[in-house]
Amino acid sequence: QQPVQSPQAVILREGEDAVINCSSSKALYSVHWYRQKHGEAPVFLMILLKGGEQKGHEKISASFNEKKQQSSLYLTASQLSYSGTYFCGTEAGTALIFGKGTTLSVSS
Amino acid sequence: DAGVIQSPRHEVTEMGQEVTLRCKLISGHNSLFWYRQTMMRGLELLIYFNNNVPIDDSGMPEDRFSAKMPNASFSTLKIQPSEPRDSAVYFCASTRTGRDGYTFGSGTRLTVV
Repeated sequence: QQPVQSPQAVILREGEDAVINCSSSKALYSVHWYRQKHGEAPVFLMILLKGGEQKGHEKISASFNEKKQQSSLYLTASQLSYSGTYFCGTEAGTALIFGKGTTLSVSS
Repeated sequence: DAGVIQSPRHEVTEMGQEVTLRCKLISGHNSLFWYRQTMMRGLELLIYFNNNVPIDDSGMPEDRFSAKMPNASFSTLKIQPSEPRDSAVYFCASTRTGRDGYTFGSGTRLTVV
């Protein structure tokens, strides 16, 4: 079952914040977050495991609520380099299944 | 570490022709995944291997698609015969434990005309 991401697209100015959500109808073992720039491969950002922990990566952090089967990615004080498509990947005992992505555009 | 290496980067072929996509894993990684990306469907899992053994091929669209992993470092994805609807970017990815995240290759952009 493919996870559902929202919103589909976000437009920001440099310095603004954004939240990207990912939800699944299945119980999850973990949630991965990836960023893909146009014409390139997806790049791993972080993994969230059961336990509701929040992880950080520079000014990008994420949380995982396994009871609600949801994860959120937080982008703080966005930079131009944050532009791209963000995918969540959910694992329910097999390989990652990816959401359709959220396109983030950051302008100066 | 050269990363996950895919070849070719681009492939244009005529409908009905056989296409073979290749992937070299990162040394020490024991899981290999083939994904297909299109605008309509996003990133779709086609098949994955663990220690050279196919674990889940439920995402392979039909019998025209086949994948092999003859050794621990190399995999192929074959489409025979190819059709225009197979046009997409095909990625392979590998991981050591899964908890390290997946490392994707640069992808093969396939166009079937």
